[in-house]
Amino acid sequence: DAKTTQPNSMESNEEEPVHLPCNHSTISGTDYIHWYRQLPSQGPEYVIHGLTSNVNNRMASLAIAEDRKSSTLILHRATLRDAAVYYCIPTGANNLFFGTGTRLTVIP
Amino acid sequence: EPEVTQTPSHQVTQMGQEVILRCVPISNHLYFYWYRQILGQKVEFLVSFYNNEISEKSEIFDDQFSVERPDGSNFTLKIRSTKLEDSAMYFCASKMSSTNEKLFFGSGTQLSVL
Repeated sequence: DAKTTQPNSMESNEEEPVHLPCNHSTISGTDYIHWYRQLPSQGPEYVIHGLTSNVNNRMASLAIAEDRKSSTLILHRATLRDAAVYYCIPTGANNLFFGTGTRLTVIP
Repeated sequence: EPEVTQTPSHQVTQMGQEVILRCVPISNHLYFYWYRQILGQKVEFLVSFYNNEISEKSEIFDDQFSVERPDGSNFTLKIRSTKLEDSAMYFCASKMSSTNEKLFFGSGTQLSVL
């Protein structure tokens, strides 16, 4: 699996957009880029995933760089409930291997 | 939305005792996983299971660990002789297929070994 680099922590004001970056320069051509998050005292939760094109769902948007060496998870309007650790996981395998992620703090 | 269910939510045991952590994956899912998270650390892969056999396991998943799908609904993780360092949150997960399907996680069992 590709090595990833994410900021340890980020802050956002409530109701503001948040852009969570991830570098995965060693990604292979068939790896999908998955994003999961872990709310306090809960199990990880799927957010979104994509291969090459940008993706949108009800939770977030995923912007993938043209060279696929980086991606950005976009929360359009952060709420207090979005405070969590966000994990970027490029993988072509059946398993997910979690890094340390980005801890997002949402300020009321 | 369907859920992965784990029981118990908390388990306290004495060092050297056997524990069984139970999971009910989502009913039409075929791939099953156990992960663990030691307090303050990252989520670690333990084992994946498909078609009634282990597909992949990590270095953590040594001879003290075993998994079983005893019937059509349950998926269990057994630790034969617990050690203090086995204290962690254990997460079960499942997904429908081997393609890039999303993984559904349970809310975990907090295991405390005294």
